[in-house]
Amino acid sequence: DTEVTQTPKHLVMGMTNKKSLKCEQHMGHRAMYWYKQKAKKPPELMFVYSYEKLSINESVPSRFSPECPNSSLLNLHLHALQPEDSALYLCASSHRGEQFFGPGTRLTVL
Amino acid sequence: SQELEQSPQSLIVQEGKNLTINCTSSKTLYGLYWYKQKYGEGLIFLMMLQKGGEEKSHEKITAKLDEKKQQSSLHITASQPSHAGIYLCGADGHPGGSEKLVFGKGTKLTVNP
Repeated sequence: DTEVTQTPKHLVMGMTNKKSLKCEQHMGHRAMYWYKQKAKKPPELMFVYSYEKLSINESVPSRFSPECPNSSLLNLHLHALQPEDSALYLCASSHRGEQFFGPGTRLTVL
Repeated sequence: SQELEQSPQSLIVQEGKNLTINCTSSKTLYGLYWYKQKYGEGLIFLMMLQKGGEEKSHEKITAKLDEKKQQSSLHITASQPSHAGIYLCGADGHPGGSEKLVFGKGTKLTVNP
């Protein structure tokens, strides 16, 4: 299995909702990442988990809460989001510097 | 902080033509990555370059790293419609690699049949 999977593919939520994005990889990679990508912009790093511990938080608002339950899973919990949080959320895992990306979750906040 | 500048921002070519995309870093490059992205989809890894002068090829795509110029180029030979997409370069600014990649703004490639 050489891929990163993300669910759901699309998500529409209101500003008062609580939802979660899920990312999974079975390549044995010990680093996993969340990126946010706005239209026509490059991906921006949000969080990095290394060996299931949060190693980098790029000053992301607390309405985004990452979780790494085990070495294969990475979640991003969403609460009280704003319309400007609408974007493509990409998950990645890495081995020896090479990052493998998932297909992304297209999030729309109404 | 490290910044990557890509040129051109967009490129339209006729099928069969060769093309080159450049990526220039504001700081020393310790690792340079090329990715391709279709609109609204994930990034597809193309190549990783780590040593000055290194050159890698995959099918019709060749990437080179000029460490002295802090620059990398991506060359596509005999372009096809399947090459269309957004090409992104990414770099980490730490020797030995780091967890944090910085990306250029991307080059949008259109290949007309």
